[in-house]
Amino acid sequence: NAGVTQTPKFRVLKTGQSMTLLCAQDMNHEYMYWYRQDPGMGLRLIHYSVGEGTTAKGEVPDGYNVSRLKKQNFLLGLESAAPSQTSVYFCASRPGTRNIQYFGAGTRLSVL
Amino acid sequence: GDSVTQMEGPVTLSEEAFLTINCTYTATGYPSLFWYVQYPGEGLQLLLKATKADDKGSNKGFEATYRKETTSFHLEKGSVQVSDSAVYFCALSKEYGNKLVFGAGTILRVKS
Repeated sequence: NAGVTQTPKFRVLKTGQSMTLLCAQDMNHEYMYWYRQDPGMGLRLIHYSVGEGTTAKGEVPDGYNVSRLKKQNFLLGLESAAPSQTSVYFCASRPGTRNIQYFGAGTRLSVL
Repeated sequence: GDSVTQMEGPVTLSEEAFLTINCTYTATGYPSLFWYVQYPGEGLQLLLKATKADDKGSNKGFEATYRKETTSFHLEKGSVQVSDSAVYFCALSKEYGNKLVFGAGTILRVKS
């Protein structure tokens, strides 16, 4: 019973490099979310999607892009990484009929 | 905008002690309220929720009551265990689940 799976679990980037974080869910959920978690600030929403082919900006979208080409996958891209993007990134999903989000285990990203 | 304020931690308790973690919120309308828990190295998981005033959410011995008059949703447990050591997040959701607004989180450490 996989639930929400995030890859990779850890990554170290140099400033200016690009990368893509993958989130996959096997629960057929309509909604998916990307958050970042920083010390003392809780989780903040980066982007979200209400269905396949749709995306929307959250609270802190600058420097990130997302895509949802398939219902089960939600990709988060960093085109040119900056040290300020050092964080732990969490993906979540939820069904359209129930207001409960299910989280992945997170990706720890360091940008040097 | 909407916001959630939690008591700062860490909170350190001995096993079988009584736990209270304070949470207050600011929001227009009628938000749903949540407590999520994050165990070391894992993603967040829902602990309990309440959707309207005076509702009490409960799970695994934890309880919280939605108090609209004091805009609060304090988390309580009568007797904590070492296995309760984790980070606890209070959160609200106002629309039908398009985003969660999190508090900063409270670290709980329980000593045997």
